[in-house]
Amino acid sequence: EPEVTQTPSHQVTQMGQEVILRCVPISNHLYFYWYRQILGQKVEFLVSFYNNEISEKSEIFDDQFSVERPDGSNFTLKIRSTKLEDSAMYFCASSDTGGRQPQHFGDGTRLSIL
Amino acid sequence: QKEVEQDPGPLSVPEGAIVSLNCTYSNSAFQYFMWYRQYSRKGPELLMYTYSSGNKEDGRFTAQVDKSSKYISLFIRDSQPSDSATYLCAIFMEYGNKLVFGAGTILRVKS
Repeated sequence: EPEVTQTPSHQVTQMGQEVILRCVPISNHLYFYWYRQILGQKVEFLVSFYNNEISEKSEIFDDQFSVERPDGSNFTLKIRSTKLEDSAMYFCASSDTGGRQPQHFGDGTRLSIL
Repeated sequence: QKEVEQDPGPLSVPEGAIVSLNCTYSNSAFQYFMWYRQYSRKGPELLMYTYSSGNKEDGRFTAQVDKSSKYISLFIRDSQPSDSATYLCAIFMEYGNKLVFGAGTILRVKS
């Protein structure tokens, strides 16, 4: 069964450094998402992406965050200058026709900011 | 009022029990309802997806939606130790193109 893959599984970074989280969505999917889950808290929406542009973003997704689909298979989340509070699990998801079809999630990248 | 409310548990049941997991939501514009299962250090795994009031069954799992009460449920029949996980309800907001998650209910099935 097709799946969403994320790399790396764990990223440790010094505060203030840039980090790029990578995702390969399911191949025929058109809608891409990033969510995060701080330890012990809810899964929270960050951003949705369709047709090479952001379609929605949350208040969390400020100027320090950016997303890109650099080629036909990858979808990345960049955090420019990491803060301690960026420590969380980051999940990538994709769906084929948008919200009317369910989103499928990867296993996440655990980001630890020191 | 929170958009999606879910009792975090933990809920502990013996093997073979029927489990009932529930969420309430506040926005009547919500249309699409999902249940995900999440094992430790893994991503949410889709279990059930529905968009209408009523019941939807898939093996041992039944999803129930009551739009008039803004209430959704997941029932697990003949629960197994392998069902031990966190269960997340999630509702799709079309105008925001995002999923809104409940807090997740931790389920432990004892053998």
